[in-house]
Amino acid sequence: GESVGLHLPTLSVQEGDNSIINCAYSNSASDYFIWYKQESGKGPQFIIDIRSNMDKRQGQRVTVLLNKTVKHLSLQIAATQPGDSAVYFCAENTGRRALTFGSGTRLQVQP
Amino acid sequence: DAEITQSPRHKITETGRQVTLACHQTWNHNNMFWYRQDLGHGLRLIHYSYGVQDTNKGEVSDGYSVSRSNTEDLPLTLESAASSQTSVYFCASSATRGNEQFFGPGTRLTVL
Repeated sequence: GESVGLHLPTLSVQEGDNSIINCAYSNSASDYFIWYKQESGKGPQFIIDIRSNMDKRQGQRVTVLLNKTVKHLSLQIAATQPGDSAVYFCAENTGRRALTFGSGTRLQVQP
Repeated sequence: DAEITQSPRHKITETGRQVTLACHQTWNHNNMFWYRQDLGHGLRLIHYSYGVQDTNKGEVSDGYSVSRSNTEDLPLTLESAASSQTSVYFCASSATRGNEQFFGPGTRLTVL
């Protein structure tokens, strides 16, 4: 499949552990944030989103935390599974037009 | 089920040729986007459209054009392909501006 990036920061975790992927965003006016997962050879897939009036949002096995003071976003994956291995992107939006994507983090889950 | 498709999935062309990549969505979304993805650059916006007859330039629009004649399709044209345009191209659509975008499977384009 397509290679997303050879020089991406990589997080390696053991199966069953919790994973935390971090993202620093650039625009203090951004009011909407999304986490995407991209597996090799596929397009990005929506995981979870959060609006700027929230600090935390939970989904199934995933939690997104937003710290607007330091412009930081994190994705927590509970009980990481081999199927979670992928590249994860955060994206931000100011409401003006399209999303702006970060460069991504590669998550490797060791069995 | 509603979906977004891209064609072709793989394309090899020569420098200077015109190339058109197709994107078709069946969600009836007004907003459609084209991105390119390169090693170390994440996803970069090429062009986007908020509705029929509307097109806008993104951050890397030079050498590309789009047209929006209906809701379902946003073809991306490379007027004169260059080696620097070798990349993986993704199309996306969304129901509302700035909100969740649904991505197609991508087109790998190689310009020799």
